[in-house]
Amino acid sequence: DTEVTQTPKHLVMGMTNKKSLKCEQHMGHRAMYWYKQKAKKPPELMFVYSYEKLSINESVPSRFSPECPNSSLLNLHLHALQPEDSALYLCASSQAHGAGYGYTFGSGTRLTVV
Amino acid sequence: GESVGLHLPTLSVQEGDNSIINCAYSNSASDYFIWYKQESGKGPQFIIDIRSNMDKRQGQRVTVLLNKTVKHLSLQIAATQPGDSAVYFCAENENAGGTSYGKLTFGQGTILTVHP
Repeated sequence: DTEVTQTPKHLVMGMTNKKSLKCEQHMGHRAMYWYKQKAKKPPELMFVYSYEKLSINESVPSRFSPECPNSSLLNLHLHALQPEDSALYLCASSQAHGAGYGYTFGSGTRLTVV
Repeated sequence: GESVGLHLPTLSVQEGDNSIINCAYSNSASDYFIWYKQESGKGPQFIIDIRSNMDKRQGQRVTVLLNKTVKHLSLQIAATQPGDSAVYFCAENENAGGTSYGKLTFGQGTILTVHP
């Protein structure tokens, strides 16, 4: 399996809702990432997990809460989002021993906050 | 056809032409570079990569050139096809010194349109 699977593909949520995005990979990658991508812009790094521990938080607002329950799963919990948080959220993974080599991206979750 | 990165984010070519997409990167500590293709509604798709100890790498119809002196990366696509139409991003990876992860930063992207 050489894929990163993200669910759901589309999500519409209100500003008072709580929702979660899920990401799964079975390539044995021990580094996993969340990126945010606005329309016509490049992906921007949000979080990095390495060996299930949070290694980088790029000053992301606390309404985004990442979680890595095990080496194959990465979640992004969403609460009290704003309309400007609407974007494509991408998950990626990479080979840990290569320090970032072998990046693979999922197809993303298209999030709309209303 | 050729793009010049930040100042020309779109590139239009005819089918069969060769395309050159340019990218300037900023971090001297970056040790690994990747070109991605992104089609509408999809995630970035790996095209080709190059490590900082190389200056050229070839794949199927694609070539990446790296000039570390001027911090410049280019992607050459031979015999461009309509299916190559997409947004192309360069990305630079900074290995945070012995860690088990990288920090991948994307360039602004170039829209490639291939006309039949």
